[in-house]
Amino acid sequence: AQSVAQPEDQVNVAEGNPLTVKCTYSVSGNPYLFWYVQYPNRGLQFLLKYITGDNLVKGSYGFEAEFNKSQTSFHLKKPSALVSDSALYFCAVSPFGGYNKLIFGAGTRLAVHP
Amino acid sequence: SAVISQKPSRDICQRGTSLTIQCQVDSQVTMMFWYRQQPGQSLTLIATANQGSEATYESGFVIDKFPISRPNLTFSTLTVSNMSPEDSSIYLCSATEENTEAFFGQGTRLTVV
Repeated sequence: AQSVAQPEDQVNVAEGNPLTVKCTYSVSGNPYLFWYVQYPNRGLQFLLKYITGDNLVKGSYGFEAEFNKSQTSFHLKKPSALVSDSALYFCAVSPFGGYNKLIFGAGTRLAVHP
Repeated sequence: SAVISQKPSRDICQRGTSLTIQCQVDSQVTMMFWYRQQPGQSLTLIATANQGSEATYESGFVIDKFPISRPNLTFSTLTVSNMSPEDSSIYLCSATEENTEAFFGQGTRLTVV
């Protein structure tokens, strides 16, 4: 079965420290991979995507993600966390490639402490 | 990217009634989708709204419970029929333009009492 796993319900990090939010996936073929962020009482906002090419992709608000095909992972990273980064982060996969329906992970709540 | 407007933003409904949620995009889009986000959980795809034809439903979702329309390239509706408290969720409309990632509406927060 196709699935996306975010193994951490919550990630806590001090402001200024680097952060990593983990994501692994299990789909066949060459999926498109995405990260979205959800702030309270707001819809999902796109952060970044991987389609092909360089394994390190850069996105909005200083976030980046590293694609690892052998480990089927797509971890979200940021070199220096801000308190304003505190939100709910979702990893998503378009299992058949293309900009099509998405399978979402369970979400990881990021808490950045001053 | 285009902007999605969803109406209503929230509603409290009596069990056994139905609610229709509207999704309006400010430009023509390729695909439209409806997702459900149950309290404290992730997003689950309900269906793909197909323009001018029946929606394509995911496993566990049926047309009688969640009828969907998409009469043109910018508008879609989702109806939650014969509601029960288990239908209390956030319902999100999503769309894609040609060769762009999906974008989302603000969601409709539904509470069934």
